[in-house]
Amino acid sequence: GAGVSQSPRYKVAKRGQDVALRCDPISGHVSLFWYQQALGQGPEFLTYFQNEAQLDKSGLPSDRFFAERPEGSVSTLKIQRTQQEDSAVYLCASSQESVYGYTFGSGTRLTVV
Amino acid sequence: KQEVTQIPAALSVPEGENLVLNCSFTDSAIYNLQWFRQDPGKGLTSLLLIQSSQREQTSGRLNASLDKSSGRSTLYIAASQPGDSATYLCAVSQGGKLIFGQGTELSVKP
Repeated sequence: GAGVSQSPRYKVAKRGQDVALRCDPISGHVSLFWYQQALGQGPEFLTYFQNEAQLDKSGLPSDRFFAERPEGSVSTLKIQRTQQEDSAVYLCASSQESVYGYTFGSGTRLTVV
Repeated sequence: KQEVTQIPAALSVPEGENLVLNCSFTDSAIYNLQWFRQDPGKGLTSLLLIQSSQREQTSGRLNASLDKSSGRSTLYIAASQPGDSATYLCAVSQGGKLIFGQGTELSVKP
């Protein structure tokens, strides 16, 4: 596709519910990143894939967060047993190579009530 | 651990003014630096990308500089317009990922 597509755009979850956020990167982009952005803050790194391999998951805040990219294209970020502190915008980015920079999607705004 | 700081946190200027946004980083071993714009409720739009070997990049009314040795970058916006109102984020690429500053929220008054 022409850009990075994320769905849903907005998600309201009750505390304790599981959620799944989808990212469809630019076709041919090898690298895919997930970031979490709290209100008024800069994005914080969560995890990074190169093709289907998850090379860095050091930013995942707890074992309730899980990300996958089984075929090296679409990625899903799953949050189990959501908590209020999980409320944030979740941004996905893809890159052909670092030298070309990163392209971000519009994000998914998650609100846990 | 790399830390990226942006000053000021917020800036309000009248239309037509030239302005400078500042970004500093603690570890100079970066691959590149990227400036983004974020409108309320939206994702990030890439403005300028500066490779670590470069000193500056220009696009229209925007000019970004990079001084890797001192750990600083500036984004210069000429003849500001109300449509420039947004949050501006700088990010350094290191270890295969981007590390962001907190952003500068810019308001350009007509």
